[in-house]
Formats: sequence, structure tokens, C-alpha cells
Amino acid sequence: GNSVTQMEGPVTLSEEAFLTINCTYTATGYPSLFWYVQYPGEGLQLLLKATKADDKGSNKGFEATYRKETTSFHLEKGSVQVSDSAVYFCALPSGSARQLTFGSGTQLTVLP
Amino acid sequence: SAVISQKPSRDICQRGTSLTIQCQVDSQVTMMFWYRQQPGQSLTLIATANQGSEATYESGFVIDKFPISRPNLTFSTLTVSNMSPEDSSIYLCSVYDSGNTIYFGEGSWLTVV
Repeated sequence: GNSVTQMEGPVTLSEEAFLTINCTYTATGYPSLFWYVQYPGEGLQLLLKATKADDKGSNKGFEATYRKETTSFHLEKGSVQVSDSAVYFCALPSGSARQLTFGSGTQLTVLP
Repeated sequence: SAVISQKPSRDICQRGTSLTIQCQVDSQVTMMFWYRQQPGQSLTLIATANQGSEATYESGFVIDKFPISRPNLTFSTLTVSNMSPEDSSIYLCSVYDSGNTIYFGEGSWLTVV
């Protein structure tokens, strides 16, 4: 079945630093790919998604490009803020019912 | 996008008791799912809640422990039965909407003492 491997954390950066969180996947066909974010004490929010190869999802300054050649969907942000401190999950659908398979999550801490 | 409300948002429960978590969606959806997130861990799918039929459980989860109801296209419940401290987790309801996107509720944060 489909699976996703996510960069191990935690990641600690200074404010305004560049962020990359790696995500690679194994899938049958070309499923949609997602990044979700979980802020402290909250549930999961959809951050961005890409539905086909070469698509770029973007939101709140974050970007990720669906790369079928490298089976990757790395999350990037050019200048992180303290408010970006959260856990980030890469995910893709698996199974006939479209349930999600998640990566292990990456804890990001941004220091002022 | 679908708006999902979960109740309770947090609870502290005694071991051996059961708790029912409710999930309400603001629109009709075909697919609803229940996930568990243990402390510091990623999310694991418990089951798919099927409207009008029994839920479909993932390996390691059974109906006796996690009975699920899905009486209509906007509502589902998950019961955590005979709780132990190992059941302390966040339980999240999610839905698959017509926009090919999966949304989550805010989660129900459960602590078993």
C-alpha cells in the first residue's frame, strides 16, 4: 500500500531562517499529497495540497511541489516565524476509502 | 471546506469507564474516519465510519473496544470502552469532502487516570 517517509525531527530554527522538511512517498499511481499542521494544543489543519505531478501547493508562505521523478513532496518556507512552531505531517491517501497514511511528523520550533 | 465539530474537546476519565465522542459535520459527507494520536506520535486510523452499516476497522482495533455509530451523513460517534491509561490520546474525526480533500476536527483530548 501507499506509504510516506518524513524527515525526522525535531527541527529548531531562528526566526527568518529557511525551512525544509523532507517527505518522500511510495504510491500506486499519482495520489494527491498533503501537508497538515498541528499547532500546540490543537487538532490538524490542512496546510496545503497538490493533486497531480508538478503541482505546487502553497499557503501561509509555505510551498511544496509534487515531484514524481523523486517521489517527493518537501515542505519549504523562505522565512519562518515564531508562530510557525508546530508539528508538520506529510500524508497521502491509501486504501479504497481514501483514508490518509501519515508520516511520523516533524516538530518545528522557531526561536526569536 | 467542511467544518467539523467534536465533543468533548477534553476529558479526564476514570479507568474502566467508557466515553463517547461525537462528531458533527456542517454538510453531508460520504466518508468519515476516526483516528487516534497517542502522545508524541503520528496519527493512526482506527476505522472508517460507514453510513447505514458497520464500521470498517483497521488492524489492531476492534468493535468491542471502539464501537462506532454513523446514523446519517453528518454525524458519527466513537466510544472508547473500558478505558485504561493506554487509551490516553487525541481522538480525531475526519471527513473526505467533494473537493478531494480530507479535513479534521479539533480533536478530543482524552486522559485516563
